[in-house]
Amino acid sequence: AQSVTQLGSHVSVSEGALVLLRCNYSSSVPPYLFWYVQYPNQGLQLLLKYTTGATLVKGINGFEAEFKKSETSFHLTKPSAHMSDAAEYFCAVSAPGRRALTFGSGTRLQVQP
Amino acid sequence: DSGVTQTPKHLITATGQRVTLRCSPRSGDLSVYWYQQSLDQGLQFLIHYYNGEERAKGNILERFSAQQFPDLHSELNLSSLELGDSALYFCASSVVVTGDYETQYFGPGTRLLVL
Repeated sequence: AQSVTQLGSHVSVSEGALVLLRCNYSSSVPPYLFWYVQYPNQGLQLLLKYTTGATLVKGINGFEAEFKKSETSFHLTKPSAHMSDAAEYFCAVSAPGRRALTFGSGTRLQVQP
Repeated sequence: DSGVTQTPKHLITATGQRVTLRCSPRSGDLSVYWYQQSLDQGLQFLIHYYNGEERAKGNILERFSAQQFPDLHSELNLSSLELGDSALYFCASSVVVTGDYETQYFGPGTRLLVL
């Protein structure tokens, strides 16, 4: 079975500050890991993904995430927050042989001017 | 725009009724997934179809069913609706990149309100 835990349902940062959204996963097999973003009244957009290979993954809009197997984590970061980053962010996991995504509960990011 | 289309965007209906949600995948994608997003349960996988065949079921109620047609569009049928079925229903389609790994692209969703 797979599961995802996102620590912090709400995160607030100032514009220009570091963004750090936390994700820990549980998987009995090597996982595939994803971050999706959901803007208000819109669908989910893929930010980045980790499958195999390099553990530091770069995505769109300046976001990146690092897969740390020893910590079972896949935290999302961005060096400098923009107002346009305000949205809800979902971490998700899948695995070989299991195609459906298991999502975390989401983290709502607020960016203060 | 992900290339996945869903209709209708909004649906308001009454308890006990039946509705059909429609999804058209991206051109060339053979897999369609349905997810439900609700305040209580978060984002949950419902069902997966590949090239017309059911491949996996998640937390889908017996009152719900789905199918994928020869032109690859999919429909999610929800019957005997209850208040708790009010949610945002997403469809996603995917393409196999290498091996078993897929990237899922999500549609804009159908917001269902059961009164």
